Amino acid sequence: QQQVKQSPQSLIVQKGGISIINCAYENTAFDYFPWYQQFPGKGPALLIAIRPDVSEKKEGRFTISFNKSAKQFSLHIMDSQPGDSATYFCALHSGGYQKVTFGIGTKLQVIP
Amino acid sequence: NAGVTQTPKFQVLKTGQSMTLQCAQDMNHEYMSWYRQDPGMGLRLIHYSVGAGITDQGEVPNGYNVSRSTTEDFPLRLLSAAPSQTSVYFCASTQEGRPGELFFGEGSRLTVL
Repeated sequence: QQQVKQSPQSLIVQKGGISIINCAYENTAFDYFPWYQQFPGKGPALLIAIRPDVSEKKEGRFTISFNKSAKQFSLHIMDSQPGDSATYFCALHSGGYQKVTFGIGTKLQVIP
Repeated sequence: NAGVTQTPKFQVLKTGQSMTLQCAQDMNHEYMSWYRQDPGMGLRLIHYSVGAGITDQGEVPNGYNVSRSTTEDFPLRLLSAAPSQTSVYFCASTQEGRPGELFFGEGSRLTVL
């Protein structure tokens, strides 16, 4: 069973546009919600993360919005650039064992 | 600073063969884990370790074995390779106090014929 549902699976955005990726979860026993970015041939790398007691976190052009009551969180990439073309994973962290559960990923393509 | 190093980067096996994927980290991280990445499936946890001598199963452990004799190394063993184990494997490490902040290696692409 999939603990986190991520959508869309692929996304094409024009340069300068806003990219939006959504994730939803069911279990409430998660205490940290990271987003990872993966370029082809590389391992995923932490992009930005949020705790459940915060509704929004912004780092540069990247913003996480978190809705605890709806059990949803999303990644917004403002002023999207071709260099942002990558696969993005939302994730859930639970407990003290560093068990991180990933969504299926969203392949983002930013076209000029 | 090497971070997390995985070897080999590519490997082709025949069904039934065994092999070990190596993972080493030089950041003195307590936690290490193995994931496999398949199209449309995201990253799925195979096994993880919270310290030397301590390992546990993740979401998809069948057909894989791990051990953690040192803080630095966390090898993943395929006991009898099957075509269903064709995948890209990632090793990751992290430290206590940094929840969800995994440092990944560059991956090992395994093909089982």
